[in-house]
Amino acid sequence: GAVVSQHPSWVICKSGTSVKIECRSLDFQATTMFWYRQFPKQSLMLMATSNEGSKATYEQGVEKDKFLINHASLTLSTLTVTSAHPEDSSFYICSARDGTSGADTQYFGPGTRLTVL
Amino acid sequence: AQSVTQLDSHVSVSEGTPVLLRCNYSSSYSPSLFWYVQHPNKGLQLLLKYTSAATLVKGINGFEAEFKKSETSFHLTKPSAHMSDAAEYFCVVGLYKFYFGSGTKLNVKP
Repeated sequence: GAVVSQHPSWVICKSGTSVKIECRSLDFQATTMFWYRQFPKQSLMLMATSNEGSKATYEQGVEKDKFLINHASLTLSTLTVTSAHPEDSSFYICSARDGTSGADTQYFGPGTRLTVL
Repeated sequence: AQSVTQLDSHVSVSEGTPVLLRCNYSSSYSPSLFWYVQHPNKGLQLLLKYTSAATLVKGINGFEAEFKKSETSFHLTKPSAHMSDAAEYFCVVGLYKFYFGSGTKLNVKP
C-alpha cells in the first residue's frame, strides 16, 4: 500500500532557529502534498497545499514566510519553520495524493513533533 | 465552503456495548466524507469513506457509517466496542482539500 514517511519524527530546537521537516512518498509519486498542524488534544488544521514544481497555496491565517514549503520532486515535500518560537511547538503531519487515485484519496505520514525551547 | 462538526468531544462506553460517534457536515457541493482514527503516538488511519455510492459504508474493524443527506450527518457506529477501539476519531469532509472535525475521544471501559 501507499506509504508516506516523515523525518524527523521529533525535533527539539532553540527559539530563533529554523527547522526543516521532510515528507516523502515511498512507493508512489505524489502530485500534491498537504501540510497539517495539530495542537495538543486538538484537531488537524490544514496549513497549505503543495503541488510539485509550483508554489504552495496557504490557508487563510497561515504565514507563508514563516512556514516555507518546497515540493521539489514527485516524492518529496519539505516544510521549514523559520525563526521558530515556542508557540510554533506542535505536531506537524503531511499527507500525499497520487495522480492515479481519486481526488479524495490522501495518505498520511506519521507526523513530526516539534518542540521549540 | 465546507465544515464538519463532531457533536461529542468525549464518548465513554463499556466493552461489548455499541458505539455511536456523531458527525454533521456542511458543504456547498456533494463532498466525500471520511472517518479517521488516531491512536496515541500513532499516525492517522482511514476507517471508511463515503463517495456518493452506497449510503451505508462499511469500514475496517467492524465500523460502519451512514450518510444521511437530509440530516447532513455521517455518524460512525460499531455494534460492540473493544478495548483496542479506544482512540481519537476524526470526521473529515472534503474532496481535494480535507477539513477535519474537532475529534471525539472514545474511552472503552472494561
